[in-house]
Amino acid sequence: SQTIHQWPATLVQPVGSPLSLECTVEGTSNPNLYWYRQAAGRGLQLLFYSVGIGQISSEVPQNLSASRPQDRQFILSSKKLLLSDSGFYLCAWSVLPGTTEAFFGQGTRLTVV
Amino acid sequence: GENVEQHPSTLSVQEGDSAVIKCTYSDSASNYFPWYKQELGKGPQLIIDIRSNVGEKKDQRIAVTLNKTAKHFSLHITETQPEDSAVYFCAASRSGTNAGKSTFGDGTTLTVKP
Repeated sequence: SQTIHQWPATLVQPVGSPLSLECTVEGTSNPNLYWYRQAAGRGLQLLFYSVGIGQISSEVPQNLSASRPQDRQFILSSKKLLLSDSGFYLCAWSVLPGTTEAFFGQGTRLTVV
Repeated sequence: GENVEQHPSTLSVQEGDSAVIKCTYSDSASNYFPWYKQELGKGPQLIIDIRSNVGEKKDQRIAVTLNKTAKHFSLHITETQPEDSAVYFCAASRSGTNAGKSTFGDGTTLTVKP
């Protein structure tokens, strides 16, 4: 069966520090991978998605970047965190072709202080 | 692009009552409509979905209806239980894209009072 791992679960970082959140998927090949941010009381904002190794699409301009160094690994990064980067970050995967459900990780609660 | 609106933002019901959450979408080409349940501190999980060639789908106490003409779809939970308390998200996407790139509603916080 397929599983998605996302870590860490919580993170407190000072303003200006770097960020690296990692997500890995097991049990499937060539998944589509996504990073979402969820602000308190709000919906899911898609930040990045990837359809293959090294292929990254950005949905919104921001202080963050994403990379996919391996088929089932997706990394969210920042060189210098801002206070506004605080939020709940979710990694997800889905399968092509066609429309199928998205499978979400457990999320990372990031607090920038 | 697609725009999904979800109502209400909060919903409180008594245990055993029914709960209804409604969503509207703007892109008439959307043909896949999943509903996710998110418990506190966790990632969303799919609870039911419907495709545009179907008007209604039911799974035990949960049902979803779709009105393509009006471009709206609804989640119905009957005989609610305290464990149904969570945030529920609707989403919409279309063939050629994929579910993870769906447009999500802002969520409904459902509270079921025992």
